[in-house]
Amino acid sequence: VQLVESGGGVVQPGRSLRLSCTASGFTFNTYGMHWVRQAPGKGLEWVAVLWYDGGNKAYPDSVKGRFTISRDNSKNTVYLQMNSLRAEDTAVYYCARRPPGGGIDSWGQGTLVTVSS
Amino acid sequence: QLVLTQSPSASASLGASVKLTCTLSSGHSNNAIAWHRQRPEKGPQFLMKLDSDGSHRKGDGIPDRFSGSSSGAERYLTISSLQSEDEADYYCQTWGIDIEVFGGGTKLTVL
Repeated sequence: VQLVESGGGVVQPGRSLRLSCTASGFTFNTYGMHWVRQAPGKGLEWVAVLWYDGGNKAYPDSVKGRFTISRDNSKNTVYLQMNSLRAEDTAVYYCARRPPGGGIDSWGQGTLVTVSS
Repeated sequence: QLVLTQSPSASASLGASVKLTCTLSSGHSNNAIAWHRQRPEKGPQFLMKLDSDGSHRKGDGIPDRFSGSSSGAERYLTISSLQSEDEADYYCQTWGIDIEVFGGGTKLTVL
């Protein structure tokens, strides 16, 4: 199993950024996918989940209405569209695999997003 | 409200054993959890999924020194024969309907 994130960088407050995570080594369209973030020196915070068929997605209140998770099963890729970015969104963003029954059983290496003017 | 509580820190000597605790909030004592390890400056790594009856399924390559157990609302991660490479942050995670929750993490120091 390999998960490789990309798309991180420095962005100004209020702007948008899209992260990508490309998967390999497993049958992508049979697993849900998460995005999880970690602010500098802090713990892990769940950001979004999308089920294997795209039929169900959920977000915590901290990003609801600003972030959107989506997937393209033909490209083995999950995305995180982040709009109206704030300084507090600065973090390393990880994609992670959701096995049947829930949870996380595999992680990517992360991509850093810095929101700063 | 679904909450996981972990002690912020733990320590144990090289070669000894340590038992880390993750406590589920009231009303959620039947939840399964997952344990993850994060070594310094690295991304998280899945260790195991742990059910309420204590049965657990470990990730690929996780050695037998790592085991899980459960009692009521508490979930445990036991690491035996501690090695210096076990020094890391350990997070528990659980999930519900449209929600995922992480504990605050336990920083394990190997003396």
